[in-house]
Amino acid sequence: DTGVSQDPRHKITKRGQNVTFRCDPISEHNRLYWYRQTLGQGPEFLTYFQNEAQLEKSRLLSDRFSAERPKGSFSTLEIQRTEQGDSAMYLCASSFQEIGYGYTFGSGTRLTVV
Amino acid sequence: DAKTTQPPSMDCAEGRAANLPCNHSTISGNEYVYWYRQIHSQGPQYIIHGLKNNETNEMASLIITEDRKSSTLILPHATLRDTAVYYCIVRVVGYNNNDMRFGAGTRLTVKP
Repeated sequence: DTGVSQDPRHKITKRGQNVTFRCDPISEHNRLYWYRQTLGQGPEFLTYFQNEAQLEKSRLLSDRFSAERPKGSFSTLEIQRTEQGDSAMYLCASSFQEIGYGYTFGSGTRLTVV
Repeated sequence: DAKTTQPPSMDCAEGRAANLPCNHSTISGNEYVYWYRQIHSQGPQYIIHGLKNNETNEMASLIITEDRKSSTLILPHATLRDTAVYYCIVRVVGYNNNDMRFGAGTRLTVKP
C-alpha cells in the first residue's frame, strides 16, 4: 500500500449525467477527506469521514453530492445531475486521526462536464 | 477570512535557497503552521509543520518568528522539481478538528 488511490483519473461526462468517483485510502488511516479544486485555486474542503461516519459536510456539498464510506475502508463520491460548474479536480486524502503529520492526498479525479 | 497571507508568486534560481514567507498575524497559541506543496496535476504533498520551534526535515526547514505571526519555509537547494504551488496553513491539531483549509498559495518557479 503505497498511498491514496483515486479512480478514475479523468472523467468526461455530459451535463445532467451522474458520476461516481472512488478513493482508496492508506489502509491504516481511519480518516478520509474529500476536496474540490478549481483552476488557480487551492483545494476546498467538501466532507470527511472518521471510519464509516461522515462527521462534517461543507456548504459546498449541495444535495446533488453524496459521499459514502461503507465499512470504513474505501469511499465514493457521487454527483447527480452534473452541471458545468462541477468541472474540477476532486481530491481525496486520508490520515490517521491526529498524529500531526497532516494528510496524504491522492492524485485526484479530474471531472469535465460538457 | 483567510488565516494566512502568502505572495502569489516567487522565482528562485536552481541551486539557491528558496525562502517562502507566510504571514499569520492572528494565529492562536494552539495553532500549528503547516506547509504543503502541489506539483502540477498532482495532489498536495505534506512538507513540514511546527508550533513555535524551528523544524527541519529532509525536505525543508520551517522558521517561525518568536511572536509566531509569520514563518518562512526554506528549501535549501532548490531544484527544477521544486517548482510547485506552496500552501501555508494554520490549524489546531486535535481529535475532532478538521480544518486543513487551503488558500491560493505561492507559485514558486525554479529557473535554471
